[in-house]
Amino acid sequence: EAGVAQSPRYKIIEKRQSVAFWCNPISGHATLYWYQQILGQGPKLLIQFQNNGVVDDSQLPKDRFSAERLKGVDSTLKIQPAKLEDSAVYLCASSLEFNPNYGYTFGSGTRLTVV
Amino acid sequence: GQNIDQPTEMTATEGAIVQINCTYQTSGFNGLFWYQQHAGEAPTFLSYNVLDGLEEKGRFSSFLSRSKGYSYLLLKELQMKDSASYLCAVDRNSGYALNFGKGTSLLVTP
Repeated sequence: EAGVAQSPRYKIIEKRQSVAFWCNPISGHATLYWYQQILGQGPKLLIQFQNNGVVDDSQLPKDRFSAERLKGVDSTLKIQPAKLEDSAVYLCASSLEFNPNYGYTFGSGTRLTVV
Repeated sequence: GQNIDQPTEMTATEGAIVQINCTYQTSGFNGLFWYQQHAGEAPTFLSYNVLDGLEEKGRFSSFLSRSKGYSYLLLKELQMKDSASYLCAVDRNSGYALNFGKGTSLLVTP
């Protein structure tokens, strides 16, 4: 099966600009996650969707970050306006039903640099 | 609060055994994961423990003690390709939304 697709792979923007990332999960996967990974740290969950509903967005900085998952398939994560500290890799992951043998699958990520 | 601790760096020799420890204090617990992450790549799943004890998968094993808030990942017969970051993560809400530690960077030397 195809993996989790993310685009763009890299993005460089100036602070105060806006940026959007796109994620296409594995077909049929109901649950989708966005993580932020700052260099040298582990991933931090930003938001979790179940179909098109939000399950957990407690760590999403809602003053500047927003995410949606229309129709319960693709998802977009937006930052507006960006700050220097938003420089990170943004990882998308998806799962159907949890299988202890597989965990869930991450996409390759979008590396954002804010200058 | 959520607190997941791992050593920052470890070095081991090719062919040897290494144990990477993880301690956690979280407000909920529904299982512990280990992921491997090579530089510039996405994390890949290694193991999952929800009950106390040892889970073995080939060269990799993972142990969990829920009462102690402790886990370790054991890597045997180390290979150069095992040089990577190893991430310990706790599932705190049964929806598999994970809290990750900062990761342990393992360097395997000849």
